[in-house]
Amino acid sequence: DIQMTQSPSSLSASVGDRVTITCRASQNIINHLNWYQQIPGKPPKLLIDTAATLQSGVPSRFSGSRSGTDFTLTISSLQPEDVAIYYCQQSYGTPPSFGGGTKVDIK
Amino acid sequence: EGQLLESGGGLVQPGGSLRLSCVASGFTFNTYVMNWVRQAPGKGPEWVSGISASGNSEYYVDSVKGRFTISRDPSKNTLYLQMNSLRVEDTAVYYCAKGDSGGWYTFDIWGQGTTVTVSS
Repeated sequence: DIQMTQSPSSLSASVGDRVTITCRASQNIINHLNWYQQIPGKPPKLLIDTAATLQSGVPSRFSGSRSGTDFTLTISSLQPEDVAIYYCQQSYGTPPSFGGGTKVDIK
Repeated sequence: EGQLLESGGGLVQPGGSLRLSCVASGFTFNTYVMNWVRQAPGKGPEWVSGISASGNSEYYVDSVKGRFTISRDPSKNTLYLQMNSLRVEDTAVYYCAKGDSGGWYTFDIWGQGTTVTVSS
């Protein structure tokens, strides 16, 4: 099975800060990597698929990138409504697997 | 945009059974892969099972193989998860999730979830 290692597990940043979350796959998954945002008590919401494709309606301050088996989610200017847990997920193999999550809050 | 509505969760004793349902609306149900994803309290999501658009192919995470069965009824736009021999570790919120047009495992629409608690 493919393991997804996400870091950091939590972070606290100020409004307007640039925030970066990293996810590493245990093997080559090409660009089959998705990012989700989950607000407590709600289901996850797909933000980015295939490593860098922003979903319709998602603010442009969110972006994704890939370098080999390392993937990055960037929030260019953190906003109060971005407080949530963010998960990466590989869609390359069965079973699909999620990273451990990154809890983002406002300093 | 599509919607998914789960039902069927509840409290059950270890060894018991439950059947979850998920009614889809707002998209052509029988043209998309559908999945069940669960989330234990305080944990990240875990994919449980997926079924092809035609219903001819099914996949499961190892921990539920032989105990859970996924199925779909296109006439009712409904996805099911039959859960037998339930264990304490199956306790979670169970979400149904639609596969996007690109493949099986990009989950672009999620339901609100139904809670399954396995406890004596």
